[in-house]
Amino acid sequence: NAGVMQNPRHLVRRRGQEARLRCSPVKGHSHVYWYRQLPEEGLKFMVYLQKENIIDESGMPKERFSAEFPKEGPSILRIQQVVRGDSAAYFCASSPRLEDYGYTFGSGTRLTVV
Amino acid sequence: DQQVKQNSPSLSVQEGRISILNCDYTNSMFDYFLWYKKYPAEGPTFLISISSIKDKNEDGRFTVFLNKSAKHLSLHIVPSQPGDSAVYFCAASGETSGSRLTFGEGTQLTVNP
Repeated sequence: NAGVMQNPRHLVRRRGQEARLRCSPVKGHSHVYWYRQLPEEGLKFMVYLQKENIIDESGMPKERFSAEFPKEGPSILRIQQVVRGDSAAYFCASSPRLEDYGYTFGSGTRLTVV
Repeated sequence: DQQVKQNSPSLSVQEGRISILNCDYTNSMFDYFLWYKKYPAEGPTFLISISSIKDKNEDGRFTVFLNKSAKHLSLHIVPSQPGDSAVYFCAASGETSGSRLTFGEGTQLTVNP
């Protein structure tokens, strides 16, 4: 039973390019969360999604960032026109139930903007 | 506004001794607290949690204590083992924050053989 799968593990983008981060939740989990960890900081909540719905995007920047969790396929975090400040580790987590706070994290995607 | 704070960026203990990691919070609406452990290049792994209706929760070598009046919680690991060396994150959630977690900055624990 595979855990949360994130790819790519490492992603390098030039300033102004687009970054697409993918997350496949644990099979049977319908709740997906994205967190970002900047260097020397803790994880910061970005967005919470259920299948085909964004439930809470209060932690996601209003511009350049978007997220989706389609009926079929992985959840995607998309960052348009990346800037150096977007360089961070992006972690996806999933849970089977809304109240299951001890959700399962993936290994993360490390985005470097050069 | 850092609502969950871990004031010690690092902690070093000897194998077999007790490790005590501390966490403070400011939001009185938080009612559920968790500890995660993170190895380099991996995602955080859930360790133990505690609800605000309790003041202690124990799971094997790991015990979490909650002092609501002081808005403080701590994680005790005894006996500490070299494999416990990792970054430990405290996290909190509450009714007003929905299902999102607010994390502290983390404490790097090093257990020396």
